[in-house]
Amino acid sequence: EVQLVESGGGLVQPGGSLRLSCAASGFIFSSYEMNWVRQAPGKGLEWISYIIGSGSSIYYADSVKGRFTISRDNAKNSLYLQMNSLRAEDTAVYYCARGTIPITIFGVLIIGDAFDFWGQGTMVTVSS
Amino acid sequence: QLVLTQSPSASASLGASVKLTCTLSSGHSTNAIAWHQQQPEKGPRFLMKLNSDGSHSKADGIPDRFSGSSSGAERYLTISSLQSEDEADYYCQTWGTGILGVFGGGTKLTVL
Repeated sequence: EVQLVESGGGLVQPGGSLRLSCAASGFIFSSYEMNWVRQAPGKGLEWISYIIGSGSSIYYADSVKGRFTISRDNAKNSLYLQMNSLRAEDTAVYYCARGTIPITIFGVLIIGDAFDFWGQGTMVTVSS
Repeated sequence: QLVLTQSPSASASLGASVKLTCTLSSGHSTNAIAWHQQQPEKGPRFLMKLNSDGSHSKADGIPDRFSGSSSGAERYLTISSLQSEDEADYYCQTWGTGILGVFGGGTKLTVL
């Protein structure tokens, strides 16, 4: 059974830092793309970051670029999100979500797909 | 720019059917999308991946009452025989070059 369990959320002051973790089980973690998605209170879903299975390809939404860093430890089946310079508008529930196993067509690596499993989320509150 | 547009709300009666719409922005009408359900106070749950030709693959355990279809730039989620537990927010999601996740604003479905 695929499981994704986030942890590390909490209350932090503006300008502070926090590191989120997502523990994965039930699948070959190192093969899969992984993502972080957040949801501000009462708002919709916002994709914020992507990392390929090997860790060699990473993308960020403009809203977090330069402040957040995604990483993974395939030996520990874990995904991370280091969040620095936090702002009030970063207050949200943060979810990890599994992507797909990328395929190569005519020598071109095709990345990106539906997010087919989600964690339960961890709440981050940025407030003084 | 890759954008998904959803109506903010929809409603239908218990036992009836409802069709939710997700519209892809100009130039992206061949994109596949995914539909996700988010029940109150819960995390999202993947329902299905829907291709531009209307073919779709559902997640394990998703009832036959849920189906997908496509027409041009529009992607649909149809829920038949509505049940109270179908009351939820429904999000469509797609992806493109350099932006691996794009979500629609979500549709809040009320079951009357």
